Order: sequence, then structure tokens, then C-alpha cells
Amino acid sequence: SSELTQDPSVSVALGQTVRITCQGDSLRRYYASWYQQKPGQAPVLVIYGKNNRPSGIPDRFSGSSSGNTASLTIAGAQAEDEADYYCNSRDSSAYHVVFGGGTKVTVL
Amino acid sequence: EVQLLESGGGLVQPGGSLRLSCAASGFTFSSHAMNWVRQAPGKGLQWVSLISGNGDIIDTADSVKGRFTISRDNSKSTVYLQMNSLRADDTAIYYCARDQNRGDLSTYDYWGQGTLVTVSS
Repeated sequence: SSELTQDPSVSVALGQTVRITCQGDSLRRYYASWYQQKPGQAPVLVIYGKNNRPSGIPDRFSGSSSGNTASLTIAGAQAEDEADYYCNSRDSSAYHVVFGGGTKVTVL
Repeated sequence: EVQLLESGGGLVQPGGSLRLSCAASGFTFSSHAMNWVRQAPGKGLQWVSLISGNGDIIDTADSVKGRFTISRDNSKSTVYLQMNSLRADDTAIYYCARDQNRGDLSTYDYWGQGTLVTVSS
């Protein structure tokens, strides 16, 4: 089965822009979805498909993809964006699904 | 309002069994694939298993294949995870998650709050 690789942590100054990446062979075939998880809470879908936001997700969140890399960008990061972010996608094996290891975003 | 409510977690000895349930409401249950995703303490998310809306597609992570079985009862809007031969490394919060129906079977637009499974003697 495939793997999705994320940087373990990243920090961003309040109001600045941060990009989180997710790399894996499956991303050459499938779009990634992105989830935000705050401590003690269930994950929340923030980006899916080419660059789609569910209702209620601020437009400072955007997604992109190129080759084997998917990216989540937070433009103008806010204190409430401090969280763990996970990517996932279909795997190459049957209907398996794979998650990245997660990126902890700290807003300074 | 879409709601997913997991139950059935608890403390179990190694080698034991548990059955998790996830009761859904607020949407046409049979129209959506459902998933179980787990998170060990302090760790990341791990996909466990999925079942399509009518149950004709089932897949399970290699790490639990042969021990865990997913099923659903559309008349009760409930998805289950039967977990046998439990091991310490199965200790985790188990979330059920609804597939968004985009066709990729990997976009989860609603999640339950999770149920904690602890495997320990």
C-alpha cells in the first residue's frame, strides 16, 4: 500500500500564509482531502477535490495539487487555525484509504 | 442535521472482542458509504474499514484484516465494527465517518465524536 508524507510541524505568524504539503504516489491518481483536528475533537473536513471547501469553512483555506504532491494553504492564518492537519486519499490497493501522518500548525 | 453517534467502546483484555456501533441520523443512510477511522493516543489518523451504501463493497486495512469486520443495517441506519482477537496496539479512539459520495470513497464530510477502545490486562 502507498504512504502519504507530511511534515510533522510548521509554524506561522498571525496573519501570514502557511502551506502544508502531502506527498505520495496515490496523489498522481487521486485528489487529497484535508482535515483539521483540534485537541479533544473529531476531525473536520476543510478541503476536498481539486479545491473545494465545505460549507462553513473560511475562504482563507485553499488546496492545490501537482504531480505527487497536494498542498493546503492557509492565507492569513488566525489563532483558531492552530491544529493538526491531515491529508488522505484513496490508495492504489483495492478500496484502501491512506492518511498522512499529520502536520501540527502553530500560530505565533 | 447529520449526526453520527458511536458506542460500544470500553476496556477489554487482550484476545477479547468488542462490537462498535455508529447510529446515523439526518440523512439517507443507505446512500452513503461509511467508514471506521481510528486514532491511537497521541498518534495520527488511521483508516480501518469501509462499507458502501448497499454493502456490496467492503474493504479493511491490512493491519486488522481477519480480525475486524464491518457491517451495516440500513433499516436501523447503523454501521458496526466487530473487533476480535484484540491486541494492545488496537487501543485507540474509533471514529465513524460518512463518505461524501464523490466517488473516490475517501472524502469524509461528517465524523462522530468517537468511542475509546482500551485493550489491556
